[in-house]
Amino acid sequence: DIQMTQSPSSLSASIGDRVTITCRASQSISTYLNWYQQKPGKAPKLLIFVVSSLHSGVPSRFSGSGSGTDFTLTISSLQPEDFATYYCQQSYSSPFTFGPGTKVDIK
Amino acid sequence: QVQLVESGGGLVKPGGSLRLSCAASGFTFSDFYMSWIRQAPGKGLEWISYIRGSGSSGTIIYYADSVKGRFTISRDNAKNSLFLQMDSLRAEDTAMYYCARDQGGDWPNFDYWGQGTLVTVSS
Repeated sequence: DIQMTQSPSSLSASIGDRVTITCRASQSISTYLNWYQQKPGKAPKLLIFVVSSLHSGVPSRFSGSGSGTDFTLTISSLQPEDFATYYCQQSYSSPFTFGPGTKVDIK
Repeated sequence: QVQLVESGGGLVKPGGSLRLSCAASGFTFSDFYMSWIRQAPGKGLEWISYIRGSGSSGTIIYYADSVKGRFTISRDNAKNSLFLQMDSLRAEDTAMYYCARDQGGDWPNFDYWGQGTLVTVSS
């Protein structure tokens, strides 16, 4: 099975900050990497699929990059509604594993 | 608009069974692959099952090792519904269970999720 790791596990940031979250796969997953945002008590929402494609309605301050085993999610200017937990997920092969999550909270 | 509504969760004793349902609306259900994903209290997301196809011959189904042999995914396209039959339940199956739509392609990504249904396994 492909294992996914994320760093950091949590971070504190201020409004307007540039935030970068890293996701690493235990083997190459080409570009089959997706990102989700989850707020407390709510279902996750798809942000980005296949590394860098923004899901409909997702603000352009979110971007993704990477290939192979190393990927990043960047929020160019953090907004109040962005405080949440972010998960990466590989869709290269079953089981379609998620990373452990990165919690972004207010500094 | 796309809606997924799960039901069927509840409190069950270890070794018991539950059947979860997910009612889909707002899209042509038969055109999309579907998954179940769960989240234990205070923990991360765990993908558990995926169904590709109509539910009849030619259907491809995947399971996570943690549920293989105990859980069965199925769908009824005529009723726009996805199901998860959960048998031999364990305490570690306690979680919020979400159904999610795969927006397409051979590499799943989940563009719409239900609100979840809570399963608690406890004596």
